[in-house]
Amino acid sequence: DAGVIQSPRHEVTEMGQEVTLRCKPISGHNSLFWYRQTMMRGLELLIYFNNNVPIDDSGMPEDRFSAKMPNASFSTLKIQPSEPRDSAVYFCASSSTGGGRNTIYFGEGSWLTVV
Amino acid sequence: AQSVTQLDSQVPVFEEAPVELRCNYSSSVSVYLFWYVQYPNQGLQLLLKYLSGSTLVKGINGFEAEFNKSQTSFHLRKPSVHISDTAEYFCAVSPAGGSEKLVFGKGTKLTVNP
Repeated sequence: DAGVIQSPRHEVTEMGQEVTLRCKPISGHNSLFWYRQTMMRGLELLIYFNNNVPIDDSGMPEDRFSAKMPNASFSTLKIQPSEPRDSAVYFCASSSTGGGRNTIYFGEGSWLTVV
Repeated sequence: AQSVTQLDSQVPVFEEAPVELRCNYSSSVSVYLFWYVQYPNQGLQLLLKYLSGSTLVKGINGFEAEFNKSQTSFHLRKPSVHISDTAEYFCAVSPAGGSEKLVFGKGTKLTVNP
């Protein structure tokens, strides 16, 4: 079975440009998560969707970041305009709803460098 | 709210030696506990999890962890490590019966030397 699929795997962009990261969760999973990983801050939850509805976006750093989940099989994380401090690995993950018991499955990450 | 503290950022060991990676958590409610592993340039994958019942949990690749409620700890152990265990290990917590979101510790980089 296919796991969580993220694209692009690597992106290098110039400061000020718009960046869109894409995610296809595992079929049948109804919870989707966007995490950011940096050396300084570790793994941070940016936003969490359940049944395509944003449940908790308290981790979204600022208005430059936005996330959407138009249907059960697709989500995007957009950064506009991008800044060098946004350089990080962005992980998408999914799970089935289970009151926190269920395993969260991670994609391989999108490695973003903003120069 | 929950929080996780991984006491060691880096742990170097020799091949075939035992290892313990420490994890402490803080929560005002019951929790579920997880250990995830991240190999270089990859996403995270589940090693093991504690939901309820026996406090000793066995996972993949010979790892095990013990839940200690009184000490709010969930330390990860392996009696004999291999070179291939070199990776970053993350402890995580979620509120039992609550939301799906996991709170992760900052990770422990395990390096196994020959």
